[in-house]
Amino acid sequence: DADVTQTPRNRITKTGKRIMLECSQTKGHDRMYWYRQDPGLGLRLIYYSFDVKDINKGEISDGYSVSRQAQAKFSLSLESAIPNQTALYFCATSDPHGQGSWTGELFFGEGSRLTVL
Amino acid sequence: AQRVTQPEKLLSVFKGAPVELKCNYSYSGSPELFWYVQYSRQRLQLLLRHISRESIKGFTADLNKGETSFHLKKPFAQEEDSAMYYCALRGSGTYKYIFGTGTRLKVLA
Repeated sequence: DADVTQTPRNRITKTGKRIMLECSQTKGHDRMYWYRQDPGLGLRLIYYSFDVKDINKGEISDGYSVSRQAQAKFSLSLESAIPNQTALYFCATSDPHGQGSWTGELFFGEGSRLTVL
Repeated sequence: AQRVTQPEKLLSVFKGAPVELKCNYSYSGSPELFWYVQYSRQRLQLLLRHISRESIKGFTADLNKGETSFHLKKPFAQEEDSAMYYCALRGSGTYKYIFGTGTRLKVLA
């Protein structure tokens, strides 16, 4: 089945370390998103990309950077991790140009749990 | 400001009881509204979208533009409905989604 895959699934790191979370998808979707999930705060958008050359900041992009290496790959980096970046990170995709009418649905990966000590 | 509000962090009901998860939104245009569900140890997945006006797993949600609400309802809760539920909004003409803070539903035996 076409899927959205995130690696690593769990990571513990120390303050100041550089961390990369990777997302790959076999859905053939153009649009990819990185969200952060915190208890009581829901999902907040970090970055989104509409294609390889189009990357946009979300509501909480400070302290993060992204790279869209190919249509299928969208990586999230924390250049110098800090404890308040401890969270569950989700990658998602959508495809308004697919066959048939677009449902507006987002397809999520399983999440990457990051702990910064 | 664009916002999705889910006032309840936790909702506990007994099996067979009716369920209503509240969602209110603030948006100046014509949004699309969605409900996503996250079962234990599973990824977020779409449950309902207002455009389709469908019933999924016994859940329904009606968009009330006057009250700017999109409450999720089910007449008889089942234990397998226990999960985290997120209301989300997509602004017309955009591909950005705004999520609420989520409501954890616990259905008690």
